[in-house]
Amino acid sequence: EAQVTQNPRYLITVTGKKLTVTCSQNMNHEYMSWYRQDPGLGLRQIYYSMNVEVTDKGDVPEGYKVSRKEKRNFPLILESPSPNQTSLYFCASSPWAGGTGELFFGEGSRLTVL
Amino acid sequence: AQTVTQSQPEMSVQEAETVTLSCTYDTSESDYYLFWYKQPPSRQMILVIRQEAYKQQNATENRFSVNFQKAAKSFSLKISDSQLGDAAMYFCAYRSAGSDYKLSFGAGTTVTVRA
Repeated sequence: EAQVTQNPRYLITVTGKKLTVTCSQNMNHEYMSWYRQDPGLGLRQIYYSMNVEVTDKGDVPEGYKVSRKEKRNFPLILESPSPNQTSLYFCASSPWAGGTGELFFGEGSRLTVL
Repeated sequence: AQTVTQSQPEMSVQEAETVTLSCTYDTSESDYYLFWYKQPPSRQMILVIRQEAYKQQNATENRFSVNFQKAAKSFSLKISDSQLGDAAMYFCAYRSAGSDYKLSFGAGTTVTVRA
């Protein structure tokens, strides 16, 4: 089944404790992206990647890191989480060229930073 | 940067009736995609309908249809014969067909369906 898989789905952590949210897709998509969803703000892009070893900042990259060492994986790293990073996070992927432009989303990861 | 505006935070509709959700966007590009995504309580983002900017014909998917007005930069979603399962948050989204291929979202509209 074609899918984007995120882990963990739920996480409660404390300020300053490094964490990683993993994202993996099995559709051989070149483009991958991370979003955070906050009430009243919709989804905002954190980082995106157009292919292996190519990443770039989105609208709200502060406090986050990413890497793209393999085509299928695009982990989101919070080196020193803070309470303002409490949010719902989505990973998404799509083909880079052609197709319908549709992004395929993971099921979301609810992160709480105390 | 592109901005997407959904002016209706909440909408309520009677079961079997029709509801229309508004969306406007700002862009200087001529080639792009527009989407409506549905987010039920499960949080999953589900594609409802898509529209390519170069197509003049409005997209339709079963009970869901759009009114795409390119000159006015408007992209409304009509849900006909509303069902209880349509209750969700709906996001309008714009995606450039250009170099960064970025997807920008509106703030969302929560749809409540009354039985």
